[in-house]
Amino acid sequence: DAKTTQPPSMDCAEGRAANLPCNHSTISGNEYVYWYRQIHSQGPQYIIHGLKNNETNEMASLIITEDRKSSTLILPHATLRDTAVYYCIVSGAGGTSYGKLTFGQGTILTVHP
Amino acid sequence: GAVVSQHPSRVICKSGTSVKIECRSLDFQATTMFWYRQFPKKSLMLMATSNEGSKATYEQGVEKDKFLINHASLTLSTLTVTSAHPEDSSFYICSARTNMANTIYFGEGSWLTVV
Repeated sequence: DAKTTQPPSMDCAEGRAANLPCNHSTISGNEYVYWYRQIHSQGPQYIIHGLKNNETNEMASLIITEDRKSSTLILPHATLRDTAVYYCIVSGAGGTSYGKLTFGQGTILTVHP
Repeated sequence: GAVVSQHPSRVICKSGTSVKIECRSLDFQATTMFWYRQFPKKSLMLMATSNEGSKATYEQGVEKDKFLINHASLTLSTLTVTSAHPEDSSFYICSARTNMANTIYFGEGSWLTVV
């Protein structure tokens, strides 16, 4: 899997948008960008994923640059419960490696009142 | 969304004994599941890929005879830590891939403490 680079930590005020960047300059054409988050002592929670187009669901929006070398996860109205480690992962969607995710260190997002 | 469940969520065992952790896909069939371990303040490390009806594929450095994986059905994979030692104490997490929109879901994790 391609490597990703994320800032080690970020802060965000409650109610404001949290924008988490991720660089994945070596991403291959068939690799998706996945975002997960992990709250202490729990398994990773799926947030969103995308290939080329921007994606939005009830949790977040994913903005992928046109060259696909970077992306931004947007939590539109952060709450204290969004405090977690956020992982950006790139992975192929087919073949034997599908589902095999390589986790980096992620970004520790702290939402403060 | 799809749900993956692990059991037990916490287990304490004595050194030298074996302990089994179950991973179930509750509302979908998973031909492939994955097992990870995570030490405190560290990231997840992939241990092995569990394939239904065939042998698991282990990552480099993971002892297959120590971490036995069985994937006997399309909804259940088990990880057995054999002859457990205190250094095996860790957070074990499974994931399962679905055929729906290329999504991968994780279980809640299982804390193993070997005393």
